[in-house]
Amino acid sequence: GAGVSQSPSNKVTEKGKDVELRCDPISGHTALYWYRQSLGQGLEFLIYFQGNSAPDKSGLPSDRFSAERTGGSVSTLTIQRTQQEDSAVYLCASSTRQGGYNEQFFGPGTRLTVL
Amino acid sequence: DAKTTQPNSMESNEEEPVHLPCNHSTISGTDYIHWYRQLPSQGPEYVIHGLTSNVNNRMASLAIAEDRKSSTLILHRATLRDAAVYYCILRDGGGGNQFYFGTGTSLTVIP
Repeated sequence: GAGVSQSPSNKVTEKGKDVELRCDPISGHTALYWYRQSLGQGLEFLIYFQGNSAPDKSGLPSDRFSAERTGGSVSTLTIQRTQQEDSAVYLCASSTRQGGYNEQFFGPGTRLTVL
Repeated sequence: DAKTTQPNSMESNEEEPVHLPCNHSTISGTDYIHWYRQLPSQGPEYVIHGLTSNVNNRMASLAIAEDRKSSTLILHRATLRDAAVYYCILRDGGGGNQFYFGTGTSLTVIP
């Protein structure tokens, strides 16, 4: 079956512009996660959606970052007024349910470069 | 948040077993131990997870210390395709989503 997809695969933008990154989770997965991975670093948690519950935004680094999930499926991560330090690979993952025992399925990521 | 400690890098010869260690001395009773790996230019993929007992699957084995303060991922016969960054992660089985990915162990497989 189809896995997690993300678009675009690469995005180059100028400092100060807004960008939108899209994630299509696996159909039926209720949990969706966004992570950020800077060059040579591990994954940094950004935000977590579970069903219709309020999202956990505790990992968002600043108020320039926001995310929404429409209809419990597709999610969009928006970065306003991009800065060079926002350059990273943004990864999305989905899973069937919350909790520590669920497997997360990751998308290929969007590589964001802010010039 | 309970965190993990892994060596930055390891090397293994092809077709030999690999033991990747992970320390998690502050693990709580509800934390599951997960291992993921990330091949170059790809998103992470699930390898194995466990709670208290050792676990085996087609990819690897997970050996968990009796006090759960450490664990070891075992690749029985390393192949060149196993070259990746391996992450040991604690996930709260009580329903929360607190976790720490860390920087992982970069495994090099030598032909």
